[in-house]
Amino acid sequence: AQSVTQPDIHITVSEGASLELRCNYSYGATPYLFWYVQSPGQGLQLLLKYFSGDTLVQGIKGFEAEFKRSQSSFNLRKPSVHWSDAAEYFCAVGEPQGAQKLVFGQGTRLTINP
Amino acid sequence: EAGVTQSPTHLIKTRGQQATLRCSPISGHTSVYWYQQALGLGLQFLLWYDEGEERNRGNFPPRFSGRQFPNYSSELNVNALELEDSALYLCASSRGQWDTQYFGPGTRLTVL
Repeated sequence: AQSVTQPDIHITVSEGASLELRCNYSYGATPYLFWYVQSPGQGLQLLLKYFSGDTLVQGIKGFEAEFKRSQSSFNLRKPSVHWSDAAEYFCAVGEPQGAQKLVFGQGTRLTINP
Repeated sequence: EAGVTQSPTHLIKTRGQQATLRCSPISGHTSVYWYQQALGLGLQFLLWYDEGEERNRGNFPPRFSGRQFPNYSSELNVNALELEDSALYLCASSRGQWDTQYFGPGTRLTVL
């Protein structure tokens, strides 16, 4: 069964600093990979996705993620965070020919220090 | 383009009652998914509907059920509510076979 691990439950960074959120997955083949963001009390907003091709993916709000097959990772990065980036971030995987469900990591809560 | 909409925003029920949650997908999307986000349990897949049929369900008891209507909107029913059913229920939609899932704002269900 596929699984997703986000090792960091909570991360605090200063405004303007760089950010990297980690995501590791377990799956027999290359899955579809996603990063979603959730503000308090809100639904999930898609930041970016990887299906195939270029392993460096650009998303909205200045985020990018890199798929590394050898490490089974799909880490999310941003060069300079803004106070509005404070939220919970979820990594998710889906099976390319599977049951169309997403399996989510436990999430990483991001706090921004002014 | 309007996003996924869900109603109601909040729902308060007592143990043993039934809850009905509704979801309208993005126009042109035929697949609807339901997820439960409970405190301490994370986001878990509940149900997937496509073209009016239930295609897959997660590891939830049969008292969680639903349906998809001809206009592709969907309803999630939870019978015999238990305290642990308190959660944010998120609906997502996609164009169909493996397109990106777009999420609605959720319905917060509280069981007292």
